[in-house]
Amino acid sequence: AQSVTQLDSQVPVFEEAPVELRCNYSSSVSVYLFWYVQYPNQGLQLLLKYLSGSTLVKGINGFEAEFNKSQTSFHLRKPSVHISDTAEYFCAVRRTGNQFYFGTGTSLTVIP
Amino acid sequence: DGGITQSPKYLFRKEGQNVTLSCEQNLNHDAMYWYRQDPGQGLRLIYYSQIVNDFQKGDIAEGYSVSREKKESFPLTVTSAQKNPTAFYLCASSISTSVETQYFGPGTRLLVL
Repeated sequence: AQSVTQLDSQVPVFEEAPVELRCNYSSSVSVYLFWYVQYPNQGLQLLLKYLSGSTLVKGINGFEAEFNKSQTSFHLRKPSVHISDTAEYFCAVRRTGNQFYFGTGTSLTVIP
Repeated sequence: DGGITQSPKYLFRKEGQNVTLSCEQNLNHDAMYWYRQDPGQGLRLIYYSQIVNDFQKGDIAEGYSVSREKKESFPLTVTSAQKNPTAFYLCASSISTSVETQYFGPGTRLLVL
């Protein structure tokens, strides 16, 4: 069965510091990987996605993620966070079909 | 502007009452989805539909029902059989013939009185 594990439920980080949000998935077939951001009481917005090709993908707001097939990971990184990055972040995997599986989310809090 | 709309933003339900959450999209997407979000549990799939007049149960379909009579609309009914309906409900859509992204609506928060 598909599953997505986000290893950290809460990540506090000081403003302008780097951050990494971890995501691991389990799958024996090809996967397509996504990171979404959710601000309070809003829907999810796509940050970035990996479908194929280069394993390093860049997204909006300065975020990037690296697909690592051998470690079945898709960690999200940003070299310098801002207060406005405070939000919930979700990793998701989509099979070759129409079902998405979401992780339980990581709450990123940027401290001034 | 293309997008997904959900209404209402907040919805209150009395015990034993059915309520229907609206989801409309003008993106011309074939596939639509309903998720439930609870604190610490992420998003869980309730129902999804790949095409008009067709839908499949997700992981937590019990106590919910849907219809897909039009491509742009995918309403979700929370029935009285759903014992713990208080949650944030998110609707999404995607182009079904590729592996493209899901686009999300702003959500509806359902509270039971």
